Amino acid sequence: QVQLVQSGAEVKKPGSSVKVSCKTSGGTFSSYVIAWVRQAPGQGLEWMGWSIPTFGTPKYAQKFQGRVAITADKSTRKVYMELSSLRSEDTAVYFCASAQNDYGAPFDFWGQGTLVTVSS
Amino acid sequence: QSALTQPPSASGSPGQSVTISCTGTSSDVGGYNYVSWYQQHPGKAPKLLIYEVNKRPSGVTDRFSGSKSGNTASLTVSGLLAEDEADYYCGSTAGSRTYVFGTGTKVTVL
Repeated sequence: QVQLVQSGAEVKKPGSSVKVSCKTSGGTFSSYVIAWVRQAPGQGLEWMGWSIPTFGTPKYAQKFQGRVAITADKSTRKVYMELSSLRSEDTAVYFCASAQNDYGAPFDFWGQGTLVTVSS
Repeated sequence: QSALTQPPSASGSPGQSVTISCTGTSSDVGGYNYVSWYQQHPGKAPKLLIYEVNKRPSGVTDRFSGSKSGNTASLTVSGLLAEDEADYYCGSTAGSRTYVFGTGTKVTVL
């Protein structure tokens, strides 16, 4: 059973960056995929990217290429998502979600979500 | 990487069934048997209901079932209960190691 606990809410200025963490417990850290999914107010789920242990580099949705970075720290079992050049449209709840490291595996565990508010 | 298309809303009376569609392309839904369905109640994280088109995780009631035909997947909720009122999202593995979610469907129990 994997548990995911995310960092707290953030308020950021337009143009700045935010770094959200997702602390994992249970299972072997390098054996599962951690994805980041965001949900703008009143909107649907949007896959941003994921860190797949089998591959060396994370994979990002085209929409966020160049603006998002997903990193992992094995020593603390934390996965980070950093989003830069923030704009008001980035105001959303950001979730981390885990999946087994098998092709096509679903997201079976989710973090509680982190609200990021971008406002001047 | 366009979102999969779902109807914005669906509804049914208690005890009835409701079916939600999820339409993609041959690059996602139609190309893989890796369609999942998630339920989300307001203010909560999504919960996995169905994976690999029609499989249920342990603990998910068999009132939820999934299927797929071509580029369209479907979720059926049978024997509607008040607690089934929620938002439902499909998701699919897509090409180039990516993933895509559906636009979401709000299910109302009348």
